[in-house]
Amino acid sequence: GAVVSQHPSWVICKSGTSVKIECRSLDFQATTMFWYRQFPKQSLMLMATSNEGSKATYEQGVEKDKFLINHASLTLSTLTVTSAHPEDSSFYICSASRAGATQPQHFGDGTRLSIL
Amino acid sequence: QQQVKQSPQSLIVQKGGISIINCAYENTAFDYFPWYQQFPGKGPALLIAIRPDVSEKKEGRFTISFNKSAKQFSLHIMDSQPGDSATYFCAASMYNFNKFYFGSGTKLNVKP
Repeated sequence: GAVVSQHPSWVICKSGTSVKIECRSLDFQATTMFWYRQFPKQSLMLMATSNEGSKATYEQGVEKDKFLINHASLTLSTLTVTSAHPEDSSFYICSASRAGATQPQHFGDGTRLSIL
Repeated sequence: QQQVKQSPQSLIVQKGGISIINCAYENTAFDYFPWYQQFPGKGPALLIAIRPDVSEKKEGRFTISFNKSAKQFSLHIMDSQPGDSATYFCAASMYNFNKFYFGSGTKLNVKP
């Protein structure tokens, strides 16, 4: 199998707080991890691509200083939403893929972030 | 510019019927076309995928039809069941470049 675990599944916090979301590949080594944002009834919007040991590549319009991504090992990537505000409330989903040409992405179950 | 266009936006099918979801792409460099199934509050799960060297791939009740010349591919769900009710996303990616371009999604409702 290819299991990706995401934690926490749901978080509510006050405006101005920083929130960290973890994404772990449980049974394979993920050379590449992806972070998506999904609004209700919409498709997945790619935020950034991270490769183990290197800086993440952010999509156009995504603030690097706002959404900090770390991919320190082949099984763990983290997304930190810094100084979160209500407009950052969303469903954040990570995915991971193995090394090699055109590997499928395996998704975590997402994190529902609500900023009050 | 949307790289992968998906239709319909929503679909209602009777139990036992065939569900068909279509996707079209422009970039001929795409060489991997997966379909994902997403239930509410969950992440997408890989359902079935195809590469452009074949025109059809079948796994159980799920079939992908691929038309390279038309740059279109579709998902067929045979004998649709209420448990198939979910949102389906098509995607496309290029060789050795794992970034996926997702369609806009189709919400399928299979009525008992």
